[in-house]
Amino acid sequence: GAGVSQSPSNKVTEKGKDVELRCDPISGHTALYWYRQSLGQGLEFLIYFQGNSAPDKSGLPSDRFSAERTGGSVSTLTIQRTQQEDSAVYLCASSNRDRGPYEQYFGPGTRLTVT
Amino acid sequence: AQSVTQLGSHVSVSEGALVLLRCNYSSSVPPYLFWYVQYPNQGLQLLLKYTSAATLVKGINGFEAEFKKSETSFHLTKPSAHMSDAAEYFCAVSGEETGGFKTIFGAGTRLFVKA
Repeated sequence: GAGVSQSPSNKVTEKGKDVELRCDPISGHTALYWYRQSLGQGLEFLIYFQGNSAPDKSGLPSDRFSAERTGGSVSTLTIQRTQQEDSAVYLCASSNRDRGPYEQYFGPGTRLTVT
Repeated sequence: AQSVTQLGSHVSVSEGALVLLRCNYSSSVPPYLFWYVQYPNQGLQLLLKYTSAATLVKGINGFEAEFKKSETSFHLTKPSAHMSDAAEYFCAVSGEETGGFKTIFGAGTRLFVKA
């Protein structure tokens, strides 16, 4: 079946511009996560959505970062006024509690480069 | 709070040698434990997971991990390394203590396999 997809796969933007990163989770998965992976670093949790509950935004590094999930499916991560330190790979994952204990399925990521 | 520590950011083994990647966790409740692998320029892929059914868990590609509650460890092993095992490996913990769906990832261990 179809896995988690993310677009674009690569994004180069100028400092100060806004960017939108998209994630399509596996159909039927109720939970969706965003992570950031900087060069040589582990996964930094950003935000997660669970069904109709209020999202857990505790990992967002600044108010320039925001995310929404429309209709319980597709999610968009928006970074406003991008900075060079925002350059990283942004990973999206989804999970379905019914299929196992919190196992996550990851997309291939979006590589963001801020010049 | 739950946490994960991976000992060694880099591990190098010769082809055919034993692979041992160390992971220790902290949790006040029975945890769910995972190992994920990330190949270059790809998202994370689940290798195996511990869900309390059996302490020795077998995963894909010949990997296995043993849950040792007394040592709070969940080390990943493979009897004989292959060149294709070169990747980054992440240990992760999840469960009710992390708020249900949240997963805490270790910093990762990069495995190098020498010919």
